Amino acid sequence: SQTIHQWPATLVQPVGSPLSLECTVEGTSNPNLYWYRQAAGRGLQLLFYSVGIGQISSEVPQNLSASRPQDRQFILSSKKLLLSDSGFYLCAWSGQDTIYFGEGSWLTVV
Amino acid sequence: GENVEQHPSTLSVQEGDSAVIKCTYSDSASNYFPWYKQELGKGPQLIIDIRSNVGEKKDQRIAVTLNKTAKHFSLHITETQPEDSAVYFCAASIRGAGSYQLTFGKGTKLSVIP
Repeated sequence: SQTIHQWPATLVQPVGSPLSLECTVEGTSNPNLYWYRQAAGRGLQLLFYSVGIGQISSEVPQNLSASRPQDRQFILSSKKLLLSDSGFYLCAWSGQDTIYFGEGSWLTVV
Repeated sequence: GENVEQHPSTLSVQEGDSAVIKCTYSDSASNYFPWYKQELGKGPQLIIDIRSNVGEKKDQRIAVTLNKTAKHFSLHITETQPEDSAVYFCAASIRGAGSYQLTFGKGTKLSVIP
């Protein structure tokens, strides 16, 4: 069966510091991969998606970036965090249709 | 692009009662409609989905109905229990080759009162 791992689960970072969130998927090949953010409200905001290695599409202009160095690895990065980057970040994958989410990473920028 | 509206934003029910959450979508080409449950501090989990060639689907206490003509679909939870308390998201998409995206509703916070 397929599993998705996301880490770290929680982190507190100062403003201006870099960020790296990692996500890996097991049990499937060539998945579509996604990064979502969930702010203080409940909505899910799509940040990036990838249909293959090195192929990244950005949905929202911001100081975040994403990379897909391997088929089942997706990384969310920032060179300098802003206070507004705080939130709950979710990695997800899809095969034929359904999207499956990881457990999320809580980021607090202080 | 697709737009999904979800109502209500909050819902409180007594334990044992039924809960209904409704969503409408704008793109008539959408043909896949999943529902997710998100417990506090966790990622959303798929609980049920329906495709446009089906009008209703049931899984124990939960069911989803789809009205393609009216472009709306609903989640029904019967005999609610405290563990049903969570935020529920509906979504819609068009299945196709290449990339795949879901358009989500804004969520419904369901509280089941013991």
